[in-house]
Amino acid sequence: GENVEQHPSTLSVQEGDSAVIKCTYSDSASNYFPWYKQELGKRPQLIIDIRSNVGEKKDQRIAVTLNKTAKHFSLHITETQPEDSAVYFCAATNFGNEKLTFGTGTRLTIIP
Amino acid sequence: GAVVSQHPSWVICKSGTSVKIECRSLDFQATTMFWYRQFPKQSLMLMATSNEGSKATYEQGVEKDKFLINHASLTLSTLTVTSAHPEDSSFYICSAPGTYEQYFGPGTRLTVT
Repeated sequence: GENVEQHPSTLSVQEGDSAVIKCTYSDSASNYFPWYKQELGKRPQLIIDIRSNVGEKKDQRIAVTLNKTAKHFSLHITETQPEDSAVYFCAATNFGNEKLTFGTGTRLTIIP
Repeated sequence: GAVVSQHPSWVICKSGTSVKIECRSLDFQATTMFWYRQFPKQSLMLMATSNEGSKATYEQGVEKDKFLINHASLTLSTLTVTSAHPEDSSFYICSAPGTYEQYFGPGTRLTVT
């Protein structure tokens, strides 16, 4: 089955700086890679996703890049704000299967 | 967007008792739903796939006789934790696939005393 690794497990950045979180996956059949933000005690919230037919996607301050050959994808948050502080999870799936395999999570702390 | 609800949002039960958690898709039909478990400071781990009209598919290491799943209709899946023990205390989250993304329920916090 799919295995997703995520790094770093914790990340602290100064407000206004950029944050980068990286994930690798093992199953070459995976073709859909969502990123979730989860606040304590709440459901995961989809913040951006990318499909295997594109290499990069951007939505305002958030971007995701995908390298299919190397089987890794990354989340980039620019101009970080205190409200970006949360736990972020990457995930991978074969879109026809829709069974998500999550990374281990990154606790992002934005320092004011 | 599509809405998935869960009930209850939290429950406390005594060791040895059973607890039922409901997951409903409110404005769309879901032939498949997924059940995840999340321990504190850990990731979401898929427990099982709930299939309307057929048996659930359990992930390796998940006891199907302990975690009973029933997908009673196209909008309702239930997870029953039988003979609950303190180690079953966790955050249980369901999800249902939509056209473009997975829709997650708000989760159920289970505490077994």
